[in-house]
Amino acid sequence: AQSVTQLDSQVPVFEEAPVELRCNYSSSVSVYLFWYVQYPNQGLQLLLKYLSGSTLVKGINGFEAEFNKSQTSFHLRKPSVHISDTAEYFCAVSVASNTDKLIFGTGTRLQVFP
Amino acid sequence: DSGVTQTPKHLITATGQRVTLRCSPRSGDLSVYWYQQSLDQGLQFLIQYYNGEERAKGNILERFSAQQFPDLHSELNLSSLELGDSALYFCASSVVPGGGEQFFGPGTRLTVL
Repeated sequence: AQSVTQLDSQVPVFEEAPVELRCNYSSSVSVYLFWYVQYPNQGLQLLLKYLSGSTLVKGINGFEAEFNKSQTSFHLRKPSVHISDTAEYFCAVSVASNTDKLIFGTGTRLQVFP
Repeated sequence: DSGVTQTPKHLITATGQRVTLRCSPRSGDLSVYWYQQSLDQGLQFLIQYYNGEERAKGNILERFSAQQFPDLHSELNLSSLELGDSALYFCASSVVPGGGEQFFGPGTRLTVL
């Protein structure tokens, strides 16, 4: 079975500072990795995904993530955050099979202060 | 706007009742997924349909059922509702299963009183 751990439930940061949201996963088979963002009272929006190839993945809104197979991690980074980045961020995995149900972490609340 | 629509946006009902949540996938998407988001359980996969057939089941209670119709819209039926069923229910869709992006709808917030 697969599992996802997001160690930080909340990350406070000042505007224009860099941020890293941590994600570790557990799986005995190859997985696809995703980061989704949820703004207040909205659905989930895909930030970026890793399926194969380059381990550094660039997404929308200036976010990027690096897949590290040896450390089973997929941390999300942004060099300079904005107030508008305040949201809940979810890391998720799926197994490459005929079903790609997503298994989510518990989420990290990013709070950007002016 | 993801292109996935869900109705209703909000639903308030009493314990023991039955409700139906509706989802219309993006045009062209054949696969539909249902997820439940609650404070104590987080985001959990419930069930997946692909082109009208059930493809995968997750932590879906026996009181819950779903189906996907020939026009590809899907309905999630929740019966004998309990207080603990209060949650945000998301529908997502993708073109086909297999690593692609899932597009999420805005969700239906169910409150059971």
